[in-house]
Amino acid sequence: DIQMTQSPSSLSASVGDRVTITCRASQGISNSLAWYQQKPGKVPKLLIYAASTLQSGVPSRFSGSGSGTDFTLTISSLQPEDVATYYCQKYNSAPWTFGQGTKVEIK
Amino acid sequence: EVQLLESGGGLVQPGGSLRLSCAASGFTLTNYAMSWVRQAPGKGLECVSAISGGGSTTYYADSVKGRFTISRDSSKNTLYLQMNSLRAEDTAVYYCAKRQTQLWSSFDDWGQGTLVTVSS
Repeated sequence: DIQMTQSPSSLSASVGDRVTITCRASQGISNSLAWYQQKPGKVPKLLIYAASTLQSGVPSRFSGSGSGTDFTLTISSLQPEDVATYYCQKYNSAPWTFGQGTKVEIK
Repeated sequence: EVQLLESGGGLVQPGGSLRLSCAASGFTLTNYAMSWVRQAPGKGLECVSAISGGGSTTYYADSVKGRFTISRDSSKNTLYLQMNSLRAEDTAVYYCAKRQTQLWSSFDDWGQGTLVTVSS
Protein backbone atom coordinates (compact mmCIF):
# COMPACT_ATOMS: atom_id res chain seq x y z
CA ASP A 1 0.00 0.00 0.00
CA ILE A 2 1.07 3.58 -0.67
CA GLN A 3 1.96 5.53 2.47
CA MET A 4 1.33 9.25 2.88
CA THR A 5 3.75 11.15 5.11
CA GLN A 6 3.16 14.74 6.16
CA SER A 7 5.66 17.15 7.63
CA PRO A 8 5.86 18.80 10.00
CA SER A 9 3.48 17.10 12.42
CA SER A 10 2.84 20.46 14.03
CA LEU A 11 3.83 24.07 13.59
CA SER A 12 3.34 27.40 15.28
CA ALA A 13 3.36 30.58 13.21
CA SER A 14 2.35 34.22 13.55
CA VAL A 15 -0.67 35.82 11.98
CA GLY A 16 0.27 36.92 8.48
CA ASP A 17 3.04 34.34 8.08
CA ARG A 18 3.37 32.11 5.05
CA VAL A 19 2.88 28.49 6.08
CA THR A 20 3.86 25.43 4.06
CA ILE A 21 2.93 21.82 4.76
CA THR A 22 4.38 18.97 2.75
CA CYS A 23 2.95 15.57 1.91
CA ARG A 24 4.99 12.78 0.38
CA ALA A 25 3.61 9.61 -1.20
CA SER A 26 5.69 6.44 -1.09
CA GLN A 27 4.83 5.86 -4.78
CA GLY A 28 3.67 8.15 -7.53
CA ILE A 29 0.00 9.13 -7.44
CA SER A 30 -0.07 11.61 -10.34
CA ASN A 31 -2.18 14.54 -9.10
CA SER A 32 -4.75 12.44 -7.21
CA LEU A 33 -4.28 14.29 -3.95
CA ALA A 34 -6.66 16.23 -1.73
CA TRP A 35 -6.14 18.47 1.30
CA TYR A 36 -8.62 18.73 4.17
CA GLN A 37 -8.92 21.12 7.08
CA GLN A 38 -10.32 19.96 10.41
CA LYS A 39 -10.89 22.64 13.01
CA PRO A 40 -11.00 21.55 16.66
CA GLY A 41 -14.18 19.61 17.35
CA LYS A 42 -15.41 20.02 13.78
CA VAL A 43 -15.93 17.96 10.67
CA PRO A 44 -13.17 17.70 8.02
CA LYS A 45 -13.59 20.11 5.12
CA LEU A 46 -12.24 19.71 1.59
CA LEU A 47 -9.84 22.53 0.71
CA ILE A 48 -8.05 21.36 -2.43
CA TYR A 49 -8.41 18.45 -4.86
CA ALA A 50 -6.43 17.32 -7.88
CA ALA A 51 -3.38 18.62 -5.99
CA SER A 52 -3.98 22.26 -6.88
CA THR A 53 -7.69 22.94 -7.53
CA LEU A 54 -9.31 25.09 -4.87
CA GLN A 55 -12.69 23.82 -3.69
CA SER A 56 -15.53 26.32 -4.13
CA GLY A 57 -15.77 28.76 -1.25
CA VAL A 58 -12.25 28.19 0.08
CA PRO A 59 -10.25 31.40 0.61
CA SER A 60 -7.63 32.13 -2.02
CA ARG A 61 -4.85 32.28 0.59
CA PHE A 62 -4.87 28.48 0.40
CA SER A 63 -3.03 26.87 -2.50
CA GLY A 64 -1.71 23.47 -3.42
CA SER A 65 1.01 22.21 -5.71
CA GLY A 66 2.89 19.10 -6.68
CA SER A 67 2.56 15.93 -8.69
CA GLY A 68 3.87 12.40 -8.48
CA THR A 69 5.17 11.92 -4.96
CA ASP A 70 5.70 15.39 -3.49
CA PHE A 71 2.96 17.87 -2.67
CA THR A 72 2.59 21.07 -0.70
CA LEU A 73 -0.23 23.03 0.90
CA THR A 74 0.51 26.71 1.36
CA ILE A 75 -1.33 29.30 3.40
CA SER A 76 -0.07 32.60 2.05
CA SER A 77 -1.05 34.69 5.07
CA LEU A 78 -2.02 32.75 8.18
CA GLN A 79 -5.24 33.90 9.86
CA PRO A 80 -6.55 33.06 13.35
CA GLU A 81 -9.41 31.05 11.81
CA ASP A 82 -6.86 28.78 10.11
CA VAL A 83 -6.02 27.06 13.41
CA ALA A 84 -6.73 23.44 12.53
CA THR A 85 -5.25 20.09 11.66
CA TYR A 86 -4.59 19.61 7.96
CA TYR A 87 -4.64 16.22 6.25
CA CYS A 88 -3.54 15.14 2.81
CA GLN A 89 -5.20 12.15 1.16
CA LYS A 90 -4.53 10.14 -1.95
CA TYR A 91 -7.43 8.90 -4.03
CA ASN A 92 -5.98 7.31 -7.16
CA SER A 93 -6.46 3.81 -5.77
CA ALA A 94 -7.62 1.96 -2.67
CA PRO A 95 -6.82 2.21 0.15
CA TRP A 96 -7.56 5.94 0.09
CA THR A 97 -4.94 6.76 2.69
CA PHE A 98 -4.72 9.98 4.68
CA GLY A 99 -1.54 11.53 5.98
CA GLN A 100 -1.13 11.63 9.75
CA GLY A 101 -2.05 15.30 9.95
CA THR A 102 -0.31 18.62 10.59
CA LYS A 103 -1.54 20.72 13.49
CA VAL A 104 -1.29 24.46 12.85
CA GLU A 105 -1.32 26.87 15.77
CA ILE A 106 -0.91 30.61 16.18
CA LYS A 107 2.26 31.79 17.90
CA GLU B 1 -27.74 21.92 -0.39
CA VAL B 2 -26.09 18.59 0.37
CA GLN B 3 -26.80 17.23 3.84
CA LEU B 4 -25.62 14.00 5.42
CA LEU B 5 -27.10 12.99 8.76
CA GLU B 6 -25.60 10.01 10.55
CA SER B 7 -27.27 8.07 13.33
CA GLY B 8 -26.96 4.75 15.11
CA GLY B 9 -23.83 5.23 17.16
CA GLY B 10 -23.61 4.40 20.84
CA LEU B 11 -22.01 2.24 23.48
CA VAL B 12 -21.68 -1.45 22.67
CA GLN B 13 -19.84 -4.32 24.30
CA PRO B 14 -16.93 -6.06 22.57
CA GLY B 15 -18.30 -8.64 20.16
CA GLY B 16 -21.53 -6.72 19.71
CA SER B 17 -23.13 -5.17 16.65
CA LEU B 18 -24.35 -1.76 15.51
CA ARG B 19 -25.86 -0.41 12.32
CA LEU B 20 -25.01 3.13 11.32
CA SER B 21 -27.27 5.09 9.01
CA CYS B 22 -26.56 8.14 6.89
CA ALA B 23 -29.60 9.94 5.52
CA ALA B 24 -28.67 11.97 2.46
CA SER B 25 -30.52 14.97 1.08
CA GLY B 26 -29.85 17.49 -1.66
CA PHE B 27 -28.54 14.84 -4.05
CA THR B 28 -29.26 11.31 -5.22
CA LEU B 29 -27.13 8.76 -3.39
CA THR B 30 -26.85 6.39 -6.33
CA ASN B 31 -25.25 9.08 -8.52
CA TYR B 32 -22.15 9.30 -6.32
CA ALA B 33 -19.70 7.01 -4.60
CA MET B 34 -19.98 7.13 -0.81
CA SER B 35 -17.70 6.19 2.04
CA TRP B 36 -17.49 5.73 5.79
CA VAL B 37 -14.46 7.41 7.35
CA ARG B 38 -13.63 7.01 11.01
CA GLN B 39 -11.53 8.93 13.48
CA ALA B 40 -10.45 7.36 16.75
CA PRO B 41 -10.18 9.76 19.71
CA GLY B 42 -7.24 12.10 19.17
CA LYS B 43 -6.19 10.25 16.02
CA GLY B 44 -6.26 10.72 12.26
CA LEU B 45 -8.70 9.74 9.52
CA GLU B 46 -9.24 6.25 8.12
CA CYS B 47 -11.53 5.29 5.25
CA VAL B 48 -13.02 1.98 6.38
CA SER B 49 -15.57 1.30 3.64
CA ALA B 50 -16.81 2.62 0.32
CA ILE B 51 -19.42 1.88 -2.32
CA SER B 52 -19.48 2.97 -5.94
CA GLY B 53 -22.29 5.06 -7.37
CA GLY B 54 -23.67 2.09 -9.27
CA GLY B 55 -23.37 -0.08 -6.18
CA SER B 56 -21.41 -2.82 -7.90
CA THR B 57 -18.10 -2.09 -6.19
CA THR B 58 -17.50 -2.10 -2.47
CA TYR B 59 -14.32 -1.63 -0.47
CA TYR B 60 -13.30 -2.49 3.06
CA ALA B 61 -10.13 -1.64 4.92
CA ASP B 62 -8.22 -4.67 6.13
CA SER B 63 -9.00 -3.61 9.70
CA VAL B 64 -12.75 -4.20 9.19
CA LYS B 65 -12.91 -6.75 6.36
CA GLY B 66 -15.26 -9.62 7.16
CA ARG B 67 -16.88 -7.70 10.02
CA PHE B 68 -18.40 -4.57 8.41
CA THR B 69 -20.85 -4.37 5.50
CA ILE B 70 -21.74 -1.25 3.55
CA SER B 71 -25.10 -0.96 1.82
CA ARG B 72 -27.68 1.57 0.77
CA ASP B 73 -31.42 1.95 0.24
CA SER B 74 -32.09 4.07 -2.82
CA SER B 75 -35.76 4.48 -1.93
CA LYS B 76 -34.75 6.14 1.34
CA ASN B 77 -31.60 7.78 -0.08
CA THR B 78 -29.77 6.32 2.91
CA LEU B 79 -26.35 4.71 3.35
CA TYR B 80 -25.68 2.08 5.99
CA LEU B 81 -22.75 0.46 7.74
CA GLN B 82 -23.46 -2.81 9.52
CA MET B 83 -20.74 -3.41 12.08
CA ASN B 84 -20.40 -6.85 13.66
CA SER B 85 -17.86 -8.42 16.03
CA LEU B 86 -16.93 -5.00 17.31
CA ARG B 87 -13.61 -4.50 19.04
CA ALA B 88 -12.25 -1.82 21.35
CA GLU B 89 -10.12 -0.50 18.49
CA ASP B 90 -13.29 0.25 16.49
CA THR B 91 -14.07 3.06 18.96
CA ALA B 92 -14.23 6.22 16.87
CA VAL B 93 -16.38 8.91 15.37
CA TYR B 94 -17.77 7.54 12.11
CA TYR B 95 -18.36 10.02 9.30
CA CYS B 96 -20.44 9.46 6.22
CA ALA B 97 -18.66 11.15 3.30
CA LYS B 98 -19.75 11.84 -0.26
CA ARG B 99 -17.28 11.57 -3.12
CA GLN B 100 -17.08 14.32 -5.74
CA THR B 101 -17.95 11.77 -8.39
CA GLN B 102 -16.87 8.13 -8.36
CA LEU B 103 -14.59 6.15 -6.06
CA TRP B 104 -11.38 7.72 -7.40
CA SER B 105 -12.23 11.19 -6.22
CA SER B 106 -12.00 13.24 -3.05
CA PHE B 107 -14.59 13.61 -0.27
CA ASP B 108 -16.45 16.87 -0.84
CA ASP B 109 -19.18 16.63 1.77
CA TRP B 110 -19.15 15.11 5.25
CA GLY B 111 -21.78 14.36 7.85
CA GLN B 112 -21.43 15.55 11.42
CA GLY B 113 -20.34 12.09 12.59
CA THR B 114 -21.68 9.54 15.05
CA LEU B 115 -19.66 8.22 17.97
CA VAL B 116 -19.21 4.48 18.42
CA THR B 117 -17.77 3.34 21.73
CA VAL B 118 -16.84 -0.32 22.18
CA SER B 119 -16.31 -1.09 25.84
CA SER B 120 -17.41 -3.50 28.54
